[in-house]
Amino acid sequence: GAVVSQHPSRVICKSGTSVKIECRSLDFQATTMFWYRQFPKQSLMLMATSNEGSKATYEQGVEKDKFLINHASLTLSTLTVTSAHPEDSSFYICSARDRTGAPLPLHFGNGTRLTVT
Amino acid sequence: AQSVTQLGSHVSVSEGALVLLRCNYSSSVPPYLFWYVQYPNQGLQLLLKYTTGATLVKGINGFEAEFKKSETSFHLTKPSAHMSDAAEYFCAVSGGSGGSNYKLTFGKGTLLTVNP
Repeated sequence: GAVVSQHPSRVICKSGTSVKIECRSLDFQATTMFWYRQFPKQSLMLMATSNEGSKATYEQGVEKDKFLINHASLTLSTLTVTSAHPEDSSFYICSARDRTGAPLPLHFGNGTRLTVT
Repeated sequence: AQSVTQLGSHVSVSEGALVLLRCNYSSSVPPYLFWYVQYPNQGLQLLLKYTTGATLVKGINGFEAEFKKSETSFHLTKPSAHMSDAAEYFCAVSGGSGGSNYKLTFGKGTLLTVNP
């Protein structure tokens, strides 16, 4: 089955630093990837939609300068949390849409637990 | 616009008992519906999906769900709960072929606990 690899699974960083999270589709090409944020015991909130070779589309209320998304290839999208603050601590999950197969369902990574101290 | 309501943030059942997790949706276009399961500190695993065709869909691990358009529901069931079913379950809706980029809208989740 389609596999999405997300790295790192856990990261702790100091306030003011930047953190990069990678999302890779291992056995399929993903023209579209989605980045979600999940607060403890809450649902997933879509942050942005990333299309290969073009700028990401951010959801309302998401700061594009803070959450930088790059989708440079059909198998890799990255989310960079810039100048991280404790309130950015959360669980970030990516998902990908198979370019050649059915558009749904989306395939999800295992998530990244970000803790900002 | 789409939305999902999961009734009951926490459901507790005994091992071997019926599992019923409720999901109601709203969508301005024919929906695609999904159930995902999430174990602690992990991503989401697809349990089952409804796109078109048969309204009763079977998924992995013995789960099934029925799409009822008249009730705008997509409840998840399993005849006999197993301890390994304890997890968070999310219902999600997409706008199907008419949806923009096939974005998913998730419900708030239902935590299932299974008692021995």
